[in-house]
Amino acid sequence: EAEVAQSPRYKITEKSQAVAFWCDPISGHATLYWYRQILGQGPELLVQFQDESVVDDSQLPKDRFSAERLKGVDSTLKIQPAELGDSAMYLCASSLELGTDTQYFGPGTRLTVL
Amino acid sequence: ILNVEQSPQSLHVQEGDSTNFTCSFPSSNFYALHWYRWETAKSPEALFVMTLNGDEKKKGRISATLNTKEGYSYLYIKGSQPEDSATYLCAFNAGGTSYGKLTFGQGTILTVHP
Repeated sequence: EAEVAQSPRYKITEKSQAVAFWCDPISGHATLYWYRQILGQGPELLVQFQDESVVDDSQLPKDRFSAERLKGVDSTLKIQPAELGDSAMYLCASSLELGTDTQYFGPGTRLTVL
Repeated sequence: ILNVEQSPQSLHVQEGDSTNFTCSFPSSNFYALHWYRWETAKSPEALFVMTLNGDEKKKGRISATLNTKEGYSYLYIKGSQPEDSATYLCAFNAGGTSYGKLTFGQGTILTVHP
């Protein structure tokens, strides 16, 4: 069964360092999402792509976060510089199209900022 | 800001018990309601996508109902098993300009004791 791949699974970094997360969606899925889940809360959407275009990045802290999906396939989420409050689970999901389609999630990257 | 609430926050039951949890969401601008199951160290797994008022969906021992007019959905687990232990998340899709964007509740953590 096709799955969303994410790497790394765990990342420990010091504040002010740069970190990057990678996501490979299910083949053929046009829509890709990055979510952040802080312990005790539900996942919160950071950015949404349709193919290589950003559809929604209203919740992305653009002073330190960036996301790209250059060829409309895999995607990278970067944080520079990392802050203590960025410690969270970063989840990637993909769906066939926008709308009511089920979003399929990867296993996430657990980030700890020291 | 959309408010999606889940209750209870956590639940402990004995193997064989039946249980249910609630997801409350805005009753206006409804497009779809998603349920996910998230086991520790795994990817969130899609359970149901519900779109019509009065919808009932079933997957094995798990079922869900939807009331869009009053803004709630129930998830039921019949005869809970230890492998049902997980965080259960609901997510609201408002459609319109938020087409495809999911707003998650904080989750219900279910622990089933043998």
